[in-house]
Amino acid sequence: DSGVTQTPKHLITATGQRVTLRCSPRSGDLSVYWYQQSLDQGLQFLIQYYNGEERAKGNILERFSAQQFPDLHSELNLSSLELGDSALYFCASSVSGGYTGELFFGEGSRLTVL
Amino acid sequence: GENVEQHPSTLSVQEGDSAVIKCTYSDSASNYFPWYKQELGKGPQLIIDIRSNVGEKKDQRIAVTLNKTAKHFSLHITETQPEDSAVYFCAASYENYGGSQGNLIFGKGTKLSVKP
Repeated sequence: DSGVTQTPKHLITATGQRVTLRCSPRSGDLSVYWYQQSLDQGLQFLIQYYNGEERAKGNILERFSAQQFPDLHSELNLSSLELGDSALYFCASSVSGGYTGELFFGEGSRLTVL
Repeated sequence: GENVEQHPSTLSVQEGDSAVIKCTYSDSASNYFPWYKQELGKGPQLIIDIRSNVGEKKDQRIAVTLNKTAKHFSLHITETQPEDSAVYFCAASYENYGGSQGNLIFGKGTKLSVKP
């Protein structure tokens, strides 16, 4: 158990809909990262938050947004969903945002868009 | 930006044999190279990492080597066991303890199967 909690574990929705994925980082970790894992693209970095502020952005679509709350949990919002958004979404946390160090991954949220 | 290529995409070995997975990176500024193992239904977990000030690091049956000149690094698993079966990801990033950093860029993964 990595200590990172993600909900929901599975989500099935229709095209055009909006969903929210939630992540609780390990106790004491200030950084939260979101990754998308699809079969052909591997692990794609989406966005990082550190202590409530956006720290870095990767290949995140404009239809996607995220935030980190004062209690350090984070939410990834996916809107106007398309079939191609079907993937496993991972949240990871780390102690600091100043250097990479070890990332602790949750077990992921599997999103299926029909 | 950084780009990490990983080979092979699948690897099948007999129990007790060695397995080698290779990665190349593009950004010469990258100085941190971790390897993650992802078991079925779970998130990736760090198994070993290396920083650019060393050429090799070993932890029991796993070792990682780094060639900065050629910009490639490899994972070596000796005496493989069925429980080593998983997907392995290499990654690269830039670390700066002064505050700046690059984000962890992953390779596309290698599915390792160890046959009893």
